[in-house]
Amino acid sequence: EVQLQQSGPELVKPGASVKISCKTSGYTFTEYTMQWVKQSHGKSLEWIGGINPNNGGTSNNQKFKGKATLTVDKSSSTAYMELRSLTSEDSAVYYCAREGYDEHFDYWGHGTSLTVSS
Amino acid sequence: DIQMTQTTSSLSASLGDRVTISCRASQDISNYLNWYQQKPDGTVKLLIYYTSRLHSGVPSRFSGSGSGTDYSLTISNLEQEDIATYFCQQSYTLYTFGGGTELEIK
Repeated sequence: EVQLQQSGPELVKPGASVKISCKTSGYTFTEYTMQWVKQSHGKSLEWIGGINPNNGGTSNNQKFKGKATLTVDKSSSTAYMELRSLTSEDSAVYYCAREGYDEHFDYWGHGTSLTVSS
Repeated sequence: DIQMTQTTSSLSASLGDRVTISCRASQDISNYLNWYQQKPDGTVKLLIYYTSRLHSGVPSRFSGSGSGTDYSLTISNLEQEDIATYFCQQSYTLYTFGGGTELEIK
């Protein structure tokens, strides 16, 4: 069974950074791109970017350039997203999602809630 | 950038109804259109990919159709567990989601 287990909720101060994790199981980690999605205030979904765990190659939504950095740890089958210079606009739920072979997101994590507040 | 529009933000229907949710792209996306279901607890699942292909384990009452810029998701025989918000997504060029359609029971 494919599972994506995300790290717990975060409360961080403005200007700080945070690193969200997505630990996978049930499939070969290096064979599928991992994507990240933002959902602000229960509204729509916004694609942040994706990373190929096999070679570390990334594709990104230009809107998040300089904001989000995607990495992986192949030894633990875990993907990470670091968000920096946090502001209230970054408060949202962040999802990791596995990209299937036909350019769709076939399995999703449960989401990580991020609150940026002093 | 390709914009995705779901003109109906909320929809009310009765159990057993046939429900259709629409999605329009700002340009031809050549059937690279996916549908997702988000439950009230935040859980997101893939329902349909490439316009009409049913994801593994998804009930057959869900179906998708469309072409060019206009696409739709149909739920036949609406069940209580289908209460959720439905998002379309284009994967023709990078990825963009529609604004979502919240489905409620009448």
